[in-house]
Amino acid sequence: GAVVSQHPSWVICKSGTSVKIECRSLDFQATTMFWYRQFPKQSLMLMATSNEGSKATYEQGVEKDKFLINHASLTLSTLTVTSAHPEDSSFYICSARGRGTGSYEQYFGPGTRLTVT
Amino acid sequence: EDQVTQSPEALRLQEGESSSLNCSYTVSGLRGLFWYRQDPGKGPEFLFTLYSAGEEKEKERLKATLTKKESFLHITAPKPEDSATYLCAVQAITRPNLGAQKLVFGQGTRLTINP
Repeated sequence: GAVVSQHPSWVICKSGTSVKIECRSLDFQATTMFWYRQFPKQSLMLMATSNEGSKATYEQGVEKDKFLINHASLTLSTLTVTSAHPEDSSFYICSARGRGTGSYEQYFGPGTRLTVT
Repeated sequence: EDQVTQSPEALRLQEGESSSLNCSYTVSGLRGLFWYRQDPGKGPEFLFTLYSAGEEKEKERLKATLTKKESFLHITAPKPEDSATYLCAVQAITRPNLGAQKLVFGQGTRLTINP
């Protein structure tokens, strides 16, 4: 139980284009989803938190107009990196918690490797 | 400010050599402490949640313990497949809004088990 998927697992895009990453909770309803980015050999950095049907709350220093988050349903959240640049290249990971997953645990997706050329 | 510090940064063990990983934390009020395992190029895999000092949880060769200031992840007779980065995170009791659900992660301990 408590499985989270992400799609795509990796993506290469050209500078200036936009990329959408999907995060799905497969066997539970995710009332809250989180988006992280992780640089090589570093820990996870929280980018934003979103509740279903509400606007995302972004962490300090994260550009909300660049990283668009939509949590339109209890099983799906999307992260769109707009006008991507090479410095946006990173490993993006989502997590989810909600009804039926236990008290406070967050369950993570497998991650999406974004490379901007 | 809530803070998590893990030590050591990296640890190499021989197969069967037991050891412990440390997670020290400072938090205004602890709602929960979480241990995750992360393999290279993958998302973190949930291992344990600990809620109060004195609590212990076990899973196969892993045992997590919690005090008021730190948590230990004990690895007994590890195997090469236990090689991974182990992440510790805390969730603080704060005002009842979205921020209360945030996890604050440590930098992780990279564990390598040599056969």
